[in-house]
Amino acid sequence: DVKVTQSSRYLVKRTGEKVFLECVQDMDHENMFWYRQDPGLGLRLIYFSYDVKMKEKGDIPEGYSVSREKKERFSLILESASTNQTSMYLCASSFWSSTKNTEAFFGQGTRLTVV
Amino acid sequence: KQEVTQIPAALSVPEGENLVLNCSFTDSAIYNLQWFRQDPGKGLTSLLLIQSSQREQTSGRLNASLDKSSGRSTLYIAASQPGDSATYLCAVHSNSGYALNFGKGTSLLVTP
Repeated sequence: DVKVTQSSRYLVKRTGEKVFLECVQDMDHENMFWYRQDPGLGLRLIYFSYDVKMKEKGDIPEGYSVSREKKERFSLILESASTNQTSMYLCASSFWSSTKNTEAFFGQGTRLTVV
Repeated sequence: KQEVTQIPAALSVPEGENLVLNCSFTDSAIYNLQWFRQDPGKGLTSLLLIQSSQREQTSGRLNASLDKSSGRSTLYIAASQPGDSATYLCAVHSNSGYALNFGKGTSLLVTP
C-alpha cells in the first residue's frame, strides 16, 4: 500500500510559535504538496516541491515556508503562527512523468489550532 | 487559472439508489482528472484517476467518465450504501502546472 504519513493528527499551538508540520512518503515520488482546507474555501495550495531542495509557491504562501532536504520528506513551517492559520493541513505526493501514473496520494491530515 | 465546480454541493438519497455527481472545469488542457473521497476530519482517499486520453474508469460500484472537450466529468455510484456517505472531491491536473485544482466537493448522505 502506498503511504503518505503526516507527523501529527492534531496540534494546538500558541500565537507567535514556530510550527513544523512533517510529511513523509514511501513511494519515491518526485512531487510533494502542502494544501490547507477550510470550510467554504475548499483545498488551497500553499507550496509544492518537484525535487529535493526545489520549491514553488502555490496560491497562498504568505506566512509559510517549506523544506525538502530528502526526497521522501516535505516539511511545512509556520514562521510565527497566527489564529488565521487554524485549519486542516493536507500533504500529498505524486510522480510527475509522461510515462508514470501520476495519481496523487494524500496523508491523513493535521488539524492545527492556533490559540 | 483552472476553475473546478462541483454540483450539487450536497445530496441526500435513500439506500439502494444510483446517483451521479458532477464536475466541470474551465480549461480543457488537462493531464488527468482524479476523484477523491473524504470522510469527516480525515484525509483524502483516491477513488479513480482518468487520464486525458481516456473516456471512463471503473472501480467496483464506481464509474467515472470524462468529456475533456466540454470540460465535464461525472462520478456514478451504483446501488448506494450508507457507508458511501462522505464528501466527494473532483480534482484536475492541468497541463500548465504540477498541482491539482480542486472543486469544493459534494457532500453525500445515504440514508438507511
